[in-house]
Amino acid sequence: ETGVTQTPRHLVMGMTNKKSLKCEQHLGHNAMYWYKQSAKKPLELMFVYSLEERVENNSVPSRFSPECPNSSHLFLHLHTLQPEDSALYLCASSQGGSPGLTEAFFGQGTRLTVV
Amino acid sequence: AQSVSQHNHHVILSEAASLELGCNYSYGGTVNLFWYVQYPGQHLQLLLKYFSGDPLVKGIKGFEAEFIKSKFSFNLRKPSVQWSDTAEYFCAVTPPYSSASKIIFGSGTRLSIRP
Repeated sequence: ETGVTQTPRHLVMGMTNKKSLKCEQHLGHNAMYWYKQSAKKPLELMFVYSLEERVENNSVPSRFSPECPNSSHLFLHLHTLQPEDSALYLCASSQGGSPGLTEAFFGQGTRLTVV
Repeated sequence: AQSVSQHNHHVILSEAASLELGCNYSYGGTVNLFWYVQYPGQHLQLLLKYFSGDPLVKGIKGFEAEFIKSKFSFNLRKPSVQWSDTAEYFCAVTPPYSSASKIIFGSGTRLSIRP
């Protein structure tokens, strides 16, 4: 256990569905991140929240909508996804809003399949 | 474009063989460097990190990495691998002068150890 918990672990959804991914951290960190991990591609940073404010949005399509209601919880709302959005979605947290300066702790990810 | 390159997508070794995984980055100036490991079915976890000081960094489980600034490299090494080292290994870097720090990951190297 890393202290970062993601649910669900697996999700299959149709292109017209709406679903949400949840991430919770119990480490007292003040920054949280969403990454996308696709086969044979580098991990892609999607969103960064620091002190519950979004500080990074790396040209992610609007069909992905993050929400950070407090420093312990992070959501990724999904709607009208495409098959190419199928991937492992990883949540991470760190202290200081700066994973480059301190270790980033990762959850086990949600394996998303869009059909 | 700024990037992190891992040259080997899949490495297969026998137990007790020596390991070296290559990592090169394309940023200039000061960088922070990381190696993460992802064991099958588990979360990403930090193996080792370099921020400053001795360019030879020792991490967990007998791994080490050497930062060679002139070559923009941060190769991961282990003198004698074990079957339990079977995993995917990711090199990562934070670019300098980031307004909101972020880790940029390489595409990963899958390591398979034959018992």
